[in-house]
Amino acid sequence: EIVLTQSPATLSLSPGERATLSCRASQSVSSFLAWYQQKPGQAPRLLIYDASNRATGIPARFSGSGSGTDFTLTISSLEPEDFAVYYCQQRSNWPHTFGQGTRLEIK
Amino acid sequence: EVQLLESGGGLVQPGGSLRLSCAASGFTFSSYAMAWVRQAPGKGLEWVSAIIGSGGTTYSADSVKGRFTISRDNSKSTLYLQMDSLRAEDTALYYCARDIAGRGYLDYWGQGTLVTVSS
Repeated sequence: EIVLTQSPATLSLSPGERATLSCRASQSVSSFLAWYQQKPGQAPRLLIYDASNRATGIPARFSGSGSGTDFTLTISSLEPEDFAVYYCQQRSNWPHTFGQGTRLEIK
Repeated sequence: EVQLLESGGGLVQPGGSLRLSCAASGFTFSSYAMAWVRQAPGKGLEWVSAIIGSGGTTYSADSVKGRFTISRDNSKSTLYLQMDSLRAEDTALYYCARDIAGRGYLDYWGQGTLVTVSS
């Protein structure tokens, strides 16, 4: 099973700042990685798939990069609604696995 | 508009069974792979099981293999998860989700149905 490790566990930033979230895979997943956002009491929302493709309706301030084992989700300028938990997920091998999440909180 | 509506959750004793359902609308159900993902209270996401559009191929996490069975009825646009031999660690909110063009990513999610396994 591929293990995804996200860092940091918690990121404290202010609106307008740039956020950089990391996801490291225990073995190569090529570019088969997605990012999701989850707000309290809501289902996850797909943000990025295949490492760098924005899902439908996702604002341009969200971008993804990386390949192999190291991936990054960048939010260029934080909006108040961006404070949430973010998960990465690989689809390279079954079982598809999620990272443990990064909580993005308001500083 | 794509909608996924889960039902069937509830309180069950260890060793018991439940069947979850997910009614889909707003898209051609048979054209999409579907998945169940769960989230234990206060915890992260776990991909439980997946099934391709035709229903001919399924995948299950090791944690549920042999106990949970995913299936679908394309004539009813409904996804199912039969859960047997339930354990306390199966307690979670169970989400139904659509797989984006069979690529292993989930682009639409229901709101979830809560399963609690406790005596």
